[in-house]
Amino acid sequence: GDSVTQMEGPVTLSEEAFLTINCTYTATGYPSLFWYVQYPGEGLQLLLKATKADDKGSNKGFEATYRKETTSFHLEKGSVQVSDSAVYFCALSSYNFNKFYFGSGTKLNVKP
Amino acid sequence: DTGVSQDPRHKITKRGQNVTFRCDPISEHNRLYWYRQTLGQGPEFLTYFQNEAQLEKSRLLSDRFSAERPKGSFSTLEIQRTEQGDSAMYLCASAAGGQGQETQYFGPGTRLLVL
Repeated sequence: GDSVTQMEGPVTLSEEAFLTINCTYTATGYPSLFWYVQYPGEGLQLLLKATKADDKGSNKGFEATYRKETTSFHLEKGSVQVSDSAVYFCALSSYNFNKFYFGSGTKLNVKP
Repeated sequence: DTGVSQDPRHKITKRGQNVTFRCDPISEHNRLYWYRQTLGQGPEFLTYFQNEAQLEKSRLLSDRFSAERPKGSFSTLEIQRTEQGDSAMYLCASAAGGQGQETQYFGPGTRLLVL
């Protein structure tokens, strides 16, 4: 069945460091891929998305590229801030968006 | 647009009791999803409605769970004969649907504790 695997956390970085959170997926058909973020005390919210191979999603300095050949959708940011401290979830949807599968989440701690 | 709301926010019940949760999606969103999330894990898909039709249901959803969306607006999730393993956060999300409108907006969740 469809599934998402993302790197375990927590990930601890200093401010202005480079961030990569790995995400790989298994899916039939043509899924869409998402990164959701959950800030402390808040609900899940969409960070970025890509709906077909080679698409790059970007938002708030974060980027992820839909790589069909490696079945990956790694999240990157060139310079993290303390305010980026949160839990990040990689997710995929079926082609018709009727079902979604989430990874287990990666907690990011950014220290000043 | 007041966002997705869920009620109650917290529920404590005894094993064997029935519980019902309500989700009010963003108005005019025709897609509605229910998830369960346990500590340290990502949301686990339970079921999906398009308008009032329940189009997807996870195989993980036992017969004790039932969901409805009678008029295509709010939805309810009922758990019968609760078990301690049902303790989790239950999340609802809605989406507008249509091309490019697949973004889900999540509610704050209902935290269930079964004693």
